[in-house]
Amino acid sequence: GAGVSQTPSNKVTEKGKYVELRCDPISGHTALYWYRQSLGQGPEFLIYFQGTGAADDSGLPNDRFFAVRPEGSVSTLKIQRTERGDSAVYLCASSLIGGKRELFFGEGSRLTVL
Amino acid sequence: AQKITQTQPGMFVQEKEAVTLDCTYDTSDPSYGLFWYKQPSSGEMIFLIYQGSYDQQNATEGRYSLNFQKARKSANLVISASQLGDSAMYFCAMREGGNKLVFGAGTILRVKS
Repeated sequence: GAGVSQTPSNKVTEKGKYVELRCDPISGHTALYWYRQSLGQGPEFLIYFQGTGAADDSGLPNDRFFAVRPEGSVSTLKIQRTERGDSAVYLCASSLIGGKRELFFGEGSRLTVL
Repeated sequence: AQKITQTQPGMFVQEKEAVTLDCTYDTSDPSYGLFWYKQPSSGEMIFLIYQGSYDQQNATEGRYSLNFQKARKSANLVISASQLGDSAMYFCAMREGGNKLVFGAGTILRVKS
């Protein structure tokens, strides 16, 4: 497809379980971002990749959160030992490196931890 | 400290009228970019308009314009001739130096018929 694709669109899990969220960016976009959005709030930055490496992971809340982008395209956000407070919409975005570098967002993965 | 401040939690506007959504920002970096995004109830984030810190003129994109006042560190979004489809959450965001965008808390806009 032409846009950023995120799977699953919805994920319900139990407290303590492991979760993986996948993001497939726009072809040719070197930069990839993960954000978390809670209800009624703005997106909160988690991590930014340029190519395969994490250029800025300052937004990851703790060591239960980890993200990879092994081939510089698809990225996976991994959450270990999920907690109820992890419930949110996880947004992925991609951009070019040059110019205004506006972010193109996927539709998000809604995570609910019971 | 808040990097992006949107002081209006919610706004109403009559259809066909103009509305201004406020945004102030905080940075000491001379090079930065300011963005506005729209998020309808469906949830997708839609890019609207961009203003670079060195741009001499205010950005415009169709019915959207950005009132950029650098000395006041404000970047208000003006929507002209409001339409019912403009009802959504609007986010102001800033990129400074690095590459991540930092978002404000958003303003909910409701267009009345």
